[in-house]
Amino acid sequence: EIVLTQSPATLSLSPGERATLSCRASQSVSSYLTWYQQKPGQAPRLLIYDASNRAPGIPARFSGSGYGTDFTLTISSLEPEDFAVYYCQQRSNWPLTFGQGTKLDIK
Amino acid sequence: QVQLVESGGGVVQPGRSLRLSCAASGFTFSNHGMHWVRQAPGKGLEWVAVIWYDGSNKYYADSVKGRFTISRDNSKNTLFLQMNSLRAEDTAVYYCARDRSSTYVDYWGQGTRVTVSS
Repeated sequence: EIVLTQSPATLSLSPGERATLSCRASQSVSSYLTWYQQKPGQAPRLLIYDASNRAPGIPARFSGSGYGTDFTLTISSLEPEDFAVYYCQQRSNWPLTFGQGTKLDIK
Repeated sequence: QVQLVESGGGVVQPGRSLRLSCAASGFTFSNHGMHWVRQAPGKGLEWVAVIWYDGSNKYYADSVKGRFTISRDNSKNTLFLQMNSLRAEDTAVYYCARDRSSTYVDYWGQGTRVTVSS
């Protein structure tokens, strides 16, 4: 099973700042890395697929990068609605696995 | 628009069974694989199972293998999860989710809560 490790566990920033979230895989997942956003009481929402492709309707301030074992989700300028929990997910191999999440909260 | 509506959750005693359903609409259900993903209270996301668009392949998380069965009825646009021998650690919100390219989920339902408790 491929383990995904997200860092930091919590990131405290202010609106307008840049956020950089990391996801590291225990072995290569090629570009089969996905990012989701989840707000309290809501289902997750797809943000980025195949490491760097924004899902339809996702604002351009969200971007993804990386290949192999190291991946980054960047939010260029935080909006109030961006404060949430972010999960990475891989399906290079079964089982599909998620990282433990990074909570982005308001400083 | 794509809609996924789960049902069948509730409170159940350890060792008992429960069957979850997910009604799909707004897309051609028979063209897509489908997943169940769960989230224990205050915890992260845990993938549970996947079924191919035609039901020909199924994969399970080790934590549920042999106890849970995923199935689908393409004539009724419905996904199922039969959960047997339930344990306290199965307590979670269970999400139905649409597969994309066998690599990620692009749509999620709102979830149904399962509580396993005596």
